[in-house]
Amino acid sequence: EAGVAQSPRYKIIEKRQSVAFWCNPISGHATLYWYQQILGQGPKLLIQFQNNGVVDDSQLPKDRFSAERLKGVDSTLKIQPAKLEDSAVYLCASSLLGTGAGELFFGEGSRLTVL
Amino acid sequence: SQKIEQNSEALNIQEGKTATLTCNYTNYSPAYLQWYRQDPGRGPVFLLLIRENEKEKRKERLKVTFDTTLKQSLFHITASQPADSATYLCALDPPGASGSARQLTFGSGTQLTVLP
Repeated sequence: EAGVAQSPRYKIIEKRQSVAFWCNPISGHATLYWYQQILGQGPKLLIQFQNNGVVDDSQLPKDRFSAERLKGVDSTLKIQPAKLEDSAVYLCASSLLGTGAGELFFGEGSRLTVL
Repeated sequence: SQKIEQNSEALNIQEGKTATLTCNYTNYSPAYLQWYRQDPGRGPVFLLLIRENEKEKRKERLKVTFDTTLKQSLFHITASQPADSATYLCALDPPGASGSARQLTFGSGTQLTVLP
């Protein structure tokens, strides 16, 4: 079974530029998450989708971050304009269950460096 | 606000010994708790899940305990090996309203090094 796919793996941009990350979850997983992980910290949830709909985006900096999940499968996370503090690894995860106990399956992450 | 604390310092142990990692939480009443392993440059990988009504869970050389009175979970790796060296993350999910979507809140992780 294929895992969660993310691209690009690495991205270096200047501040105020824009960047987009792509995620393809495990087939059949209805729930998709984007987490931000800053060096030395645990992952922090940015947004959670259940199929096409947004379940929780309370910690997403909406003035610069946006995310969408088309047709309930792939998802894109965009940052525009980027700030220095956005340097982090952006992890996509998916799960079978959106409610109740369920493990998350993570991709390898997209490492963003903002100069 | 909710707070999760893991061992604040990296943990070094000798091969063959038992590693014990701690996860403490405050202002939380989690329905369950999960442990993940994260290697450098990789995404977290699920290891174990324990529910609030379970005291202990085992999987091969791994053991997790969950004390809701102390608000603490302990994660043990017995007969540790250098290949167990990684960062271990605990994650909690507070009980929400019926039907609400669940989400995990992660601790900052404990970096374990098993010395040969």
